[in-house]
Amino acid sequence: EVELVESGGDLVQPGRSLRLSCAASGFGLNDYAMHWVRQGPGKGLEWVSGINWNSDNIGYADSVKGRFTISRDNAKNSLYLQMNSLRPEDTALYYCVKGSGSESYSHYSMDVWGQGTTVTVSS
Amino acid sequence: EIVLTQSPGTLSLSPGEKATLSCRASQSVSNNFLSWYQQKPGQAPRLLIYGASSRTTGIPDRFSGSGSGTEFTLTISRLEPEDFAVYYCQQYGSTLLTFGGGTRVEIK
Repeated sequence: EVELVESGGDLVQPGRSLRLSCAASGFGLNDYAMHWVRQGPGKGLEWVSGINWNSDNIGYADSVKGRFTISRDNAKNSLYLQMNSLRPEDTALYYCVKGSGSESYSHYSMDVWGQGTTVTVSS
Repeated sequence: EIVLTQSPGTLSLSPGEKATLSCRASQSVSNNFLSWYQQKPGQAPRLLIYGASSRTTGIPDRFSGSGSGTEFTLTISRLEPEDFAVYYCQQYGSTLLTFGGGTRVEIK
């Protein structure tokens, strides 16, 4: 069974850092692009970042560019999101999402979603 | 950035009725790279439609997608009780991926 399990969410103060992880199982991570998508409390979905299969095609939403870094370790079947300079508006449920293709993070739909990990930024 | 505007914000219908959800893009979506997702309370979104009109494996054929360019539609031919949820469109044709604000389909 294809599964994505996120971890690393926590309550942090503004300005601090946090690293999210996503463990993939049931498929080879190196065959697919991956994404992070977030959902603020009671709000809609917001794409955060995407990465292709070999990490040479990466993109970020304007709201996180320069603060967040996406990375992957295909040997460990894991995806990561390093979040620095966190702001209250980064408070959200963060989903790890599998792309349906590999060559780029765009041009493919998002076909498998994890259950999410919660990040709360507050003093 | 391509802005996706979904309408209506809320759709109040009865089981058995037809639902028509709209997604309008601020500029043409490349190759009609547009998806529809369903999200129920407390659950992760689920992919229904990709490429504007292709149904994902396992999605009932009462769900259909249509449209091209800047105008897209998700149609649910006859609402079942489990179809009451929030629906999002999303474009993946540009390097900045974007979602619409969602349409809530509620029981009338």
